[in-house]
This record gives sequence, structure tokens and C-alpha cells, in this order.
Amino acid sequence: DTGVSQNPRHKITKRGQNVTFRCDPISEHNRLYWYRQTLGQGPEFLTYFQNEAQLEKSRLLSDRFSAERPKGSFSTLEIQRTEQGDSAMYLCASSSGQGIEQYFGPGTRLTVT
Amino acid sequence: QKEVEQDPGPLSVPEGAIVSLNCTYSNSAFQYFMWYRQYSRKGPELLMYTYSSGNKEDGRFTAQVDKSSKYISLFIRDSQPSDSATYLCAMRTSYDKVIFGPGTSLSVIP
Repeated sequence: DTGVSQNPRHKITKRGQNVTFRCDPISEHNRLYWYRQTLGQGPEFLTYFQNEAQLEKSRLLSDRFSAERPKGSFSTLEIQRTEQGDSAMYLCASSSGQGIEQYFGPGTRLTVT
Repeated sequence: QKEVEQDPGPLSVPEGAIVSLNCTYSNSAFQYFMWYRQYSRKGPELLMYTYSSGNKEDGRFTAQVDKSSKYISLFIRDSQPSDSATYLCAMRTSYDKVIFGPGTSLSVIP
């Protein structure tokens, strides 16, 4: 087991473009979380899945953001019509059980120019 | 007022010192209290968590929770240069999402 992986690690895009990130959780973890982290701040919750069901979404997740977890395995986070304010580190975490022990991936750093 | 407050530092200590990191919170419903370590440009790594009040020890790390004061602490004994990182406290209720503090940047000087 190699832990949570995320791709790409870095993404530079122009404002208005769409981007998609992928997260592969630890195998057999039923819960998967997406967070956003900006400089000098802790991770902020965006959304989470239990298996393939998306159970909660933060108000931070505007209608330009969409996340999927088909078949309860990997997950994708898409941002449409990117804005400069979307520049951040996007972190994925997975857990089993009730989600107390969350294991984070290395993150995808997004820069919107 | 933010739900979780944490002094951002930076905190600089000599190797071998005892480090004390602290967070305060406002939501009395928080039941689980976690400490994460995050190295530069890496994802957070869970160090330990406690449920409700009390102490928990794991090697050089000790976590304390005082729910009456809404105050949690992480102590690092015999600090090492490899402990240099940002330390994030995090907490949640029994069923809700995890709320992170902003993190404290720690440097341990050899």
C-alpha cells in the first residue's frame, strides 16, 4: 500500500480554463475527502464521499466545482471557469470507519494566471 | 471569531528543547482532537488524536485536552531538527467534518 496519491502534483492554468484533479485513496478506505489549503491556513473542507455517495458539500464548493467518485474508488475534482482565487493546494484524504484518522495525499498545487 | 485558533508563530527553539503548541476553540461539541504535522509542500500527516478530555502519549509527543477551558496542547520532548514543520490542530464533533487550525510553524535549530 503506497498511501494516497494525487495527480497532477502541479497545475498552471489560465483564468477561465477548466481543470481536473485525480485522487487515488488507500485501497479499502471507504471515505474520501477533498480539502483546499491556502498559504498560512489549515486545510478547509470541501466535500466528502462514503463509497460512491457524496454525502456533504461545503459552501466553499461553488457550482463551478464538481467532484465524483465512480464505483467508490478514485475520485476527481473538476473546477470549471477557473478564477485567480482558486489558486491553492487541493488535498485529498481517505479514511476507514468514522473518518477520525484521515490520511492525506501530497496535494495538487493549482496556480491560475 | 474562528472556530479554532492557533498561534501561527514562527516558533524557533534549540535542539533538545521541550516544545509546547496550543490551540483554543469555541465549539463545545467538539469531541475528537487531532494533531497533524505538515512539512513544506507536503500533505498533512496525522501524529495522534484524543477523544474527549485527557492526555495521550506517543513517544516524544504528548497531547492534552482541557475541554473545560476549550484548550488543547501538543508537547514535543527532546525536539529534533527533523521536527521542523508546521503543526496543525484539528477537531470535530462525533459526526461532523474536521475543522483545522491555521497551523504553527516550528523550527528546531541544531
